[in-house]
Amino acid sequence: KAGVTQTPRYLIKTRGQQVTLSCSPISGHRSVSWYQQTPGQGLQFLFEYFSETQRNKGNFPGRFSGRQFSNSRSEMNVSTLELGDSALYLCASSKRSGVYSYEQYFGPGTRLTVT
Amino acid sequence: AQSVTQLDSQVPVFEEAPVELRCNYSSSVSVYLFWYVQYPNQGLQLLLKYLSGSTLVKGINGFEAEFNKSQTSFHLRKPSVHISDTAEYFCAVSERSNFGNEKLTFGTGTRLTIIP
Repeated sequence: KAGVTQTPRYLIKTRGQQVTLSCSPISGHRSVSWYQQTPGQGLQFLFEYFSETQRNKGNFPGRFSGRQFSNSRSEMNVSTLELGDSALYLCASSKRSGVYSYEQYFGPGTRLTVT
Repeated sequence: AQSVTQLDSQVPVFEEAPVELRCNYSSSVSVYLFWYVQYPNQGLQLLLKYLSGSTLVKGINGFEAEFNKSQTSFHLRKPSVHISDTAEYFCAVSERSNFGNEKLTFGTGTRLTIIP
């Protein structure tokens, strides 16, 4: 079974630009969550999508947004990039069936560098 | 809101020695508990999880953890480490919810270095 895939793996952007990251979950998984990992703040939850609906959101500014498609693939968008947005962005998928789902499978991440 | 504390940022251990990585959590509601491992330039891999039942849980690669509700701890142990265990380890919690909750709150991580 293929794992969670994220594209691109590496990205360099300039301050003020916007960026879109993509995540394809494991086949059959309907929940996709996004996390930001930085040396200073560690791993922080961005948001979760389930059945094309945002179910939970972390404490990030509105510049961070996401969506999920009918095939469960998800995209994350960051507008007006700031230097502090440089991070490893991790996507995780889970089976999430109703209220029960406890195991998240992580992708390799997208390394975003903002210059 | 919940929080996770991993007091040890770095733990050096000789090969074949035992290791314990400490994790304490704080939450006003019941939680599920997890340990993840991250190898360089990779994502996170689940080592083990505690949902309910037996407080001693066994995971992959010979790791185990014990849930202690009174001490709000979930320490990770391995009786004999190998060079390949060199990685960063993260403890995480998620709140039990009647509506489902995928949000994980992570600790700051413990870098385990195995000394040959």
